[in-house]
Amino acid sequence: DQQVKQNSPSLSVQEGRISILNCDYTNSMFDYFLWYKKYPAEGPTFLISISSIKDKNEDGRFTVFLNKSAKHLSLHIVPSQPGDSAVYFCAASANDYKLSFGAGTTVTVRA
Amino acid sequence: DAGITQSPRHKVTETGTPVTLRCHQTENHRYMYWYRQDPGHGLRLIHYSYGVKDTDKGEVSDGYSVSRSKTEDFLLTLESATSSQTSVYFCAISSGPSTDTQYFGPGTRLTVL
Repeated sequence: DQQVKQNSPSLSVQEGRISILNCDYTNSMFDYFLWYKKYPAEGPTFLISISSIKDKNEDGRFTVFLNKSAKHLSLHIVPSQPGDSAVYFCAASANDYKLSFGAGTTVTVRA
Repeated sequence: DAGITQSPRHKVTETGTPVTLRCHQTENHRYMYWYRQDPGHGLRLIHYSYGVKDTDKGEVSDGYSVSRSKTEDFLLTLESATSSQTSVYFCAISSGPSTDTQYFGPGTRLTVL
């Protein structure tokens, strides 16, 4: 039973516009959330994280929002660039050094 | 980038043969993990280690075993490979205990014929 769900397998966005990726979770014990980015034939790379004590974390063009009551988080990329075309994974941890991952969303940034 | 290497990077083998994948880190991190990535499933945890000789099962551990005799090396063994184990395998490391952020290796693509 997947505890972290990314219901949109793909997203296409025009260069310069905003990309919004969504993630839902079911385990109320999760208290730390991460986003990873993955290019083909490479390992996932850490992008940004957020603790459950916050509702927003920003790092340059990337912002993660957490809505604990809805068990929902989202990643905003503004502005989207061609190099952002990749698979994005949402992950969550219950402070037990293990991560549960979503199935991923493939983002394509159109010129 | 975290110092993580995986070997081999690609392997083709036949059903029923044993296979060992190696993960090597130069970061002296305590925690090491093995995941498999399959379409529609994201990354699923196979086994993890929280210290030398200390390992535990993840969510998809059947058919896999691991060993960690040194801090820097974490081995994943498929005792008798099956076609369902065709996948891309990733190793990850984490320093813990103050953070659960994990850093991944480049992956091993395994094909079982």
